Amino acid sequence: KQEVTQIPAALSVPEGENLVLNCSFTDSAIYNLQWFRQDPGKGLTSLLLIQSSQREQTSGRLNASLDKSSGRSTLYIAASQPGDSATYLCASQDDYKLSFGAGTTVTVRA
Amino acid sequence: IAGITQAPTSQILAAGRRMTLRCTQDMRHNAMYWYRQDLGLGLRLIHYSNTAGTTGKGEVPDGYSVSRANTDDFPLTLASAVPSQTSVYFCASSEGTSVDNEQFFGPGTRLTVL
Repeated sequence: KQEVTQIPAALSVPEGENLVLNCSFTDSAIYNLQWFRQDPGKGLTSLLLIQSSQREQTSGRLNASLDKSSGRSTLYIAASQPGDSATYLCASQDDYKLSFGAGTTVTVRA
Repeated sequence: IAGITQAPTSQILAAGRRMTLRCTQDMRHNAMYWYRQDLGLGLRLIHYSNTAGTTGKGEVPDGYSVSRANTDDFPLTLASAVPSQTSVYFCASSEGTSVDNEQFFGPGTRLTVL
């Protein structure tokens, strides 16, 4: 059974600082690794998807890396802004099933 | 705007009552999913459907049933609700189940069982 862990559970940084969010998983036989953003009381918005054959994906200020051998993915957010405040979830996909971490709640202080 | 709609937005339900959560997508996606989100546990898969006419059990299927009569709709039914089913329920869809298929999520239904 895939176990996905995100540490820390919460993070507070001043505006402008770079964010580093960590995700680890126990079973390296994954199809892909996805990062989502969730605002309070809202659904999930897909940020990045890294296929198992890829090492990283980039979108604007966001960069996500994947190291299957060590069971780790990292989401980097450059030059954080107050609008980046949200909960960030990672999920590994195996066939049809997404296994989620519990998320890291980020607060960016103005 | 294309996407996934869920109804109701929120519901308070007495234990023992039957409840159906509705989910509709207009992206013509083959696969659809139901998840529940509980504090500290993340999202867990309840049921899924790879294509119309087929369904499968996820991680926490007990007490829930689904049907997939057509491509667009994927209702989730609680036959006899219990307080432990208090949660936020998310419906999702994807084109298929291959390596590059993103899952897209609806806004959620907040269910409270008393």
